[in-house]
Amino acid sequence: DAKTTQPNSMESNEEEPVHLPCNHSTISGTDYIHWYRQLPSQGPEYVIHGLTSNVNNRMASLAIAEDRKSSTLILHRATLRDAAVYYCIVPGSSNTGKLIFGQGTTLQVKP
Amino acid sequence: GAVVSQHPSRVICKSGTSVKIECRSLDFQATTMFWYRQFPKQSLMLMATSNEGSKATYEQGVEKDKFLINHASLTLSTLTVTSAHPEDSSFYICSVLLRRSGEIKQYFGPGTRLTVT
Repeated sequence: DAKTTQPNSMESNEEEPVHLPCNHSTISGTDYIHWYRQLPSQGPEYVIHGLTSNVNNRMASLAIAEDRKSSTLILHRATLRDAAVYYCIVPGSSNTGKLIFGQGTTLQVKP
Repeated sequence: GAVVSQHPSRVICKSGTSVKIECRSLDFQATTMFWYRQFPKQSLMLMATSNEGSKATYEQGVEKDKFLINHASLTLSTLTVTSAHPEDSSFYICSVLLRRSGEIKQYFGPGTRLTVT
């Protein structure tokens, strides 16, 4: 797995956009970038993943830098239910399917 | 996606007893499932990879004789914590691996909170 670096915590106001950064400078050319989040006392849930192009889904957008050494998860309008720990994971090319979770970013959303 | 359930959601057991946790893939046949453990205010730690029809693969430092994993069908994996001790109290989470068009995703269960007294 490529090492990822995320801020420990971030704050946002409700209904404002949130940009969660992740650095993965050792990423290789075929590694996907995955984002999961974990709400309190629940199992993680898949948010989004991408390889090179920016990606959008109903939950979020993923902006990937041109050199792929960093990415940003974008929540377009944060709600109180988005308060969670967000994990950026680069599984690597071993094809085992394993995910190694770092400490993630704890997002607080203020009303 | 895949829907994953775990049973029980919470369990309290006495020290020295064994506890079995079930992980079911409700709408997807999973040849590979994973088991994680999470202590309070910490991240998830991968314990083992559960492979249908074969032995589980354990991560370094995880005792395979203490954490018995059985993946007897494509929809069920079980984790048995044998001779549980208070230090085994934790949040245990399973996941199902979905491979599609060369991409992978994991779908997680809701977790089982184990308290050993």
